[in-house]
Amino acid sequence: DTGVSQDPRHKITKRGQNVTFRCDPISEHNRLYWYRQTLGQGPEFLTYFQNEAQLEKSRLLSDRFSAERPKGSFSTLEIQRTEQGDSAMYLCASSSRNNEQFFGPGTRLTVL
Amino acid sequence: AQSVSQHNHHVILSEAASLELGCNYSYGGTVNLFWYVQYPGQHLQLLLKYFSGDPLVKGIKGFEAEFIKSKFSFNLRKPSVQWSDTAEYFCAVTPSGNTGKLIFGQGTTLQVKP
Repeated sequence: DTGVSQDPRHKITKRGQNVTFRCDPISEHNRLYWYRQTLGQGPEFLTYFQNEAQLEKSRLLSDRFSAERPKGSFSTLEIQRTEQGDSAMYLCASSSRNNEQFFGPGTRLTVL
Repeated sequence: AQSVSQHNHHVILSEAASLELGCNYSYGGTVNLFWYVQYPGQHLQLLLKYFSGDPLVKGIKGFEAEFIKSKFSFNLRKPSVQWSDTAEYFCAVTPSGNTGKLIFGQGTTLQVKP
């Protein structure tokens, strides 16, 4: 399968713990996006990378959230000191310059 | 701030009925417009997109959408739905030439009864 992959698919953690998610984009795509989706809502933009450079961050992305894309390939999203309000589906998408984004299956985070 | 509004939150139709899902956006400049679909248990997939040219766009599985610039709308249509169209549908917009970040509506759940 040459689509966008995300790992893990599900994560259950206790409040206050740190979690890290991984996204592997389609190999020739230089743009990578993270979104967050809560129940009954559409995805909300979190951050954007072009190659290894993080070019935009949403105000939704508090200082507990950090994302990286070393070497412009896979990306990680880390949440420190998780809170119950962080429970959501975290989606990764990638695209080339034509702006058509391809989404991964998401990582569902549950914070107890 | 840019936003996307989908007026129908939950739609129930019988097979063979016609479908129209409303989408309006607030942005004064040139935009790219998308409809994504999420079938039960699957990830978001692109149904169709509008970048420029003919405002009537045809997508996969018999869906089409019409961009009406004066109304800031991009409604999704299908003349005859099937049970397999049961899914959640999301309208999204991104300003042209932007980073490409998508601004999504809250989604419409379509349930098609056999």
